[in-house]
Parts: sequence; structure tokens; C-alpha cells
Amino acid sequence: QLQLQESGPGLVRPSETLSLTCTVSGGSISSSSYYWGWIRQPPGKGLEWIGSIFYDAYTYYNPSLKSRVTISVDTSKNQLSLKLTSVTAADTAVYFCARQSQPWTYSSGYYPWGQGTLVTVSS
Amino acid sequence: QSVLTQPPSVSAAPGQKVTISCSGSSSNIGSNFVSWYQQFPGTAPKLLIYDNNKRPSGIPDRFSASKSGTSATLGITGLQTGDEADYYCGTWDNSLSGGVFGGGVFGGGTKLTVL
Repeated sequence: QLQLQESGPGLVRPSETLSLTCTVSGGSISSSSYYWGWIRQPPGKGLEWIGSIFYDAYTYYNPSLKSRVTISVDTSKNQLSLKLTSVTAADTAVYFCARQSQPWTYSSGYYPWGQGTLVTVSS
Repeated sequence: QSVLTQPPSVSAAPGQKVTISCSGSSSNIGSNFVSWYQQFPGTAPKLLIYDNNKRPSGIPDRFSASKSGTSATLGITGLQTGDEADYYCGTWDNSLSGGVFGGGVFGGGTKLTVL
């Protein structure tokens, strides 16, 4: 059973870089033809797609975040990572990693999801 | 402002049926598969529907969905108090904010109250 677990600092200072890791267990992040993604949810608000990666080669980012975000895969550690630079209070959110439910597509819904990790941007 | 439009809230009595709408455009719902999620407070979203109308294993057939043109609808029959949650639609937008490759989009969410 595939499981995802996010980890990283819960507090980030304004203007610094937010770095999160998603550890995948129960399957290999590199041996399957799936899109992997990051989604965030500000407190009390809806879901916002951050970006996706496919085969550690093709990345797709939300245009509103594209200049600040990097998604990558570390196949040796079976991990997905997210870096978001120059953060502000508006980046405070629960950050989720997830995988597309079907292979070879970026539009079949995300399953499974990690439990999410709250990142607060504050000085 | 979400790319996909959902009603902020819906309500119905136990045992009844409720529908949740999701309205988009030709560049998102009109061109791509729609998925639906259920989210309880403090937990990750759970996939209820993928590829417009398919249920993952373990999702009861009380949950169904359809798509027509640039709109999609989630239906829940035999409402239970345990269905009280937030529901989100999602899809891909081929021209999100003018981006070359597009991106994922979600509705703003609908809070379901079972009276």
C-alpha cells in the first residue's frame, strides 16, 4: 500500500526558503509512470495546486508561484521535494504531497495523499 | 477567487439526496477529467471520484458524479451525518493564467451540512 509522509520545518521566516520532503513508502517513486504533486491549503481556505513532476524530468508549476517554486525527485531516497523561495505570510498553509490516481495522466485526481504538514511563515 | 466555481454550502436531511455543482470553462472541465474529494477538518482530502464518474475502490455507490460541457456535478444519496464535510472538485486547466502547459485547479469547496 503506497503511503506518503511530508516533513520539514513548521516555521519559516519571511523572505526565507520553505523546504519540504515527501517520503514515499510501499512503492518506488521512479518505477511507475505517475505524476506526483504538491497541493497546499491555507488555514480555513480551499485547495491550491502548487505543481507536479513526472519521471523526474517534466515539471509543471502554478503560474502564480512559478518564479519561486521548485519540485524535484530524489530516486535514491524515494522522496519528492518542494522548495518555495521568498516566502511571505500568504504562504502559510498545510502542504500536501500526493500522486495521481492513474498512470500517464495529470488529470485523474490525486490518490493517495500525505497527511499534510502545517508551515507557518512568521518572524 | 477559484477557477472552478462551487456553491459555498449545501444542506439536506439524513436519507435525502444532495448535489454539488462545479462550474468551469472550455479550458478546464470542458477539456479534461474531473475529480471530486471529501475532506474532514484536520485531515487530507480523500478521492471520491476520478475520471468524471469513476469511484476508487472502497467508495460506496451512494457517491456518483457526472460531467456535461463545462460543468460537473457530484451526487450523494442516502445522506448520513458522517457525510458532513467539505467537498472539492478538481481538474486540469490547459491555459491556467496564460501558462504554456496549464496547471491543476480546484473549486473553492462546498460545505455539506446534514441537518
